[in-house]
Amino acid sequence: QLLESGGGLVQPGGSLRLSCSASGFTFSTYAMGWVRQAPGKGLEWVSLISSSGGATFYADSVRGRFTISRDNSKLFLRVNSLRVEDTAVYFCARVVWSGSYRFDSWGQGTLITVSS
Amino acid sequence: QSDLTQPPSASGSPGQSVTISCTGTSSDIGYYNYVSWYQQHPGKAPKLMIYEVTKRPSGVPDRFSGSRSDNTASLTVSGLQAEDEADYYCSSYAGSNNVVFGGGTKLTVL
Repeated sequence: QLLESGGGLVQPGGSLRLSCSASGFTFSTYAMGWVRQAPGKGLEWVSLISSSGGATFYADSVRGRFTISRDNSKLFLRVNSLRVEDTAVYFCARVVWSGSYRFDSWGQGTLITVSS
Repeated sequence: QSDLTQPPSASGSPGQSVTISCTGTSSDIGYYNYVSWYQQHPGKAPKLMIYEVTKRPSGVPDRFSGSRSDNTASLTVSGLQAEDEADYYCSSYAGSNNVVFGGGTKLTVL
């Protein structure tokens, strides 16, 4: 099970830290990622972190502004310099990366609204 | 604009089959065997339905099947049921640790 938190209303240029609590599987053995969905729009991959946390990857649209990290049981996404176009539901997902590149379990999402 | 192209809508009557296409390029769908399909009901999280072009996760009915020809992947839903009405998204690995998604197809069961 994956449960996100930390979303909210923030002004352009602001920051937030999203969290995702994982349970029911061995968290440390899976890569994890974030996927977002703007209101009424499709899915967009945002970021990925390896099982060890030693490797991180970002979509071009967020690189340099977002930072993914993890600890023993939680996944995080620090979002800085937020723009109106970052408004979206952010889903945490368990990832089978190398050799498959699939998101095989998803949380319910947390909404970030960027507006003045 | 999404990286992969899907038709915005598809429909079929109960019991019929419907196929949803997903068109990419020779750098993603046409190159890698890493196409996935996700089902999303309104207000819910996406659910993995197909991975690595043709494989079904445990628990996904065998009415769902995937295929690929050149740069286009397809999801076929056979024996349509009312609960299959949802949005469907394709995705593909695009190299350099990057995954791209399609814009989604709304499947209506008539």
